Amino acid sequence: GENVEQHPSTLSVQEGDSAVIKCTYSDSASNYFPWYKQELGKGPQLIIDIRSNVGEKKDQRIAVTLNKTAKHFSLHITETQPEDSAVYFCAASRLTGGGNKLTFGTGTQLKVEL
Amino acid sequence: GAVVSQHPSRVICKSGTSVKIECRSLDFQATTMFWYRQFPKQSLMLMATSNEGSKATYEQGVEKDKFLINHASLTLSTLTVTSAHPEDSSFYICSASSANYGYTFGSGTRLTVV
Repeated sequence: GENVEQHPSTLSVQEGDSAVIKCTYSDSASNYFPWYKQELGKGPQLIIDIRSNVGEKKDQRIAVTLNKTAKHFSLHITETQPEDSAVYFCAASRLTGGGNKLTFGTGTQLKVEL
Repeated sequence: GAVVSQHPSRVICKSGTSVKIECRSLDFQATTMFWYRQFPKQSLMLMATSNEGSKATYEQGVEKDKFLINHASLTLSTLTVTSAHPEDSSFYICSASSANYGYTFGSGTRLTVV
């Protein structure tokens, strides 16, 4: 089955700096890679996703890059703000929805300091 | 956008009783629903996958007689924790998936068994 590794487990940045979180996956058939933000006591919220036919996707301060050959993908947050502080999870799946389960990374606790 | 409603958000029950958690997709039909369990500072652990009208598929190590899953319609799935014990205390999260909306998560249920 799929195995997703995520690094770092904790990340502390100064407000305004960039944050990068990296994930690797093992199943070459995986083709959907979402990123979730989870605040304490809440469910995960999708912040950005990328499919295997695209190498990069950007949404305002958030971007995701995908290297299919190396089987790794990264989350980039620019101009970080205190409200970005949360736990971030990467995930991988073979298809977009339709019953295929997501495999999650172990999570990154991001702390944005003033 | 896709919205998944999960209730209750918090529940405290006595040891030996059963608790039901509901997960509803409000504005789309979910072909598949997933149930996760999350321990503090850990990633989401998939418990089971359910398709409407079919029996749920449980992950290895998850007791199907203890965690009863019903998926009677394309918009509603329930998880019943039967004969709950303190070790069942955890954060339970559902996710609904469809080809159009990917995976959408509920807000989670904090179960405390006393």
